[in-house]
Amino acid sequence: DAGVIQSPRHEVTEMGQEVTLRCKPISGHDYLFWYRQTMMRGLELLIYFNNNVPIDDSGMPEDRFSAKMPNASFSTLKIQPSEPRDSAVYFCASSFSGRGLAGELFFGEGSRLTVL
Amino acid sequence: GENVEQHPSTLSVQEGDSAVIKCTYSDSASNYFPWYKQELGKRPQLIIDIRSNVGEKKDQRIAVTLNKTAKHFSLHITETQPEDSAVYFCAASRAGGFKTIFGAGTRLFVKA
Repeated sequence: DAGVIQSPRHEVTEMGQEVTLRCKPISGHDYLFWYRQTMMRGLELLIYFNNNVPIDDSGMPEDRFSAKMPNASFSTLKIQPSEPRDSAVYFCASSFSGRGLAGELFFGEGSRLTVL
Repeated sequence: GENVEQHPSTLSVQEGDSAVIKCTYSDSASNYFPWYKQELGKRPQLIIDIRSNVGEKKDQRIAVTLNKTAKHFSLHITETQPEDSAVYFCAASRAGGFKTIFGAGTRLFVKA
């Protein structure tokens, strides 16, 4: 398996523009997580899905952020409109809850977003 | 809400010495405690984990201990090497839902 695949790896955009980040989880994994990493706030959980259903989106900063998971092999995180304070590395991670137990998170390589 | 506190934020040790990183969690329903290592510019990767039914786990030079009563767990690295230099994150995950919350991270420097 190729692991968790994220795109784009780098995105530079101007304030006010729409940004869409994409993630393909590992095949067979039933959990998908979106994290944001900054120096100041560390790894923040934004939202996570189980079997394509959003379970907890309490970490989504505000209404400008939205996430979808239309099927088991694809998820998007959208920011509209983007602001400079959204600049961060966004990680997608997937996990398999074998036997109902929480397990290892497999992270993608991240999408580094810079909003000018 | 759930919270994981991690100390210290920075740790510098001499090669060959031991390093200890400590975490506390607030959610008593947490039952899975992984540790991740993140090298500069890379993704976090699991190095060791422990479940709530175990008090200690060891894998070569790294070990993790868990005290459920006190709600804290620790990472121990012995005989540190320069390649151990990285940021280490603790995390806690609760049963049912598997929401995983990370500590703020510890930047470990191992001086040769």
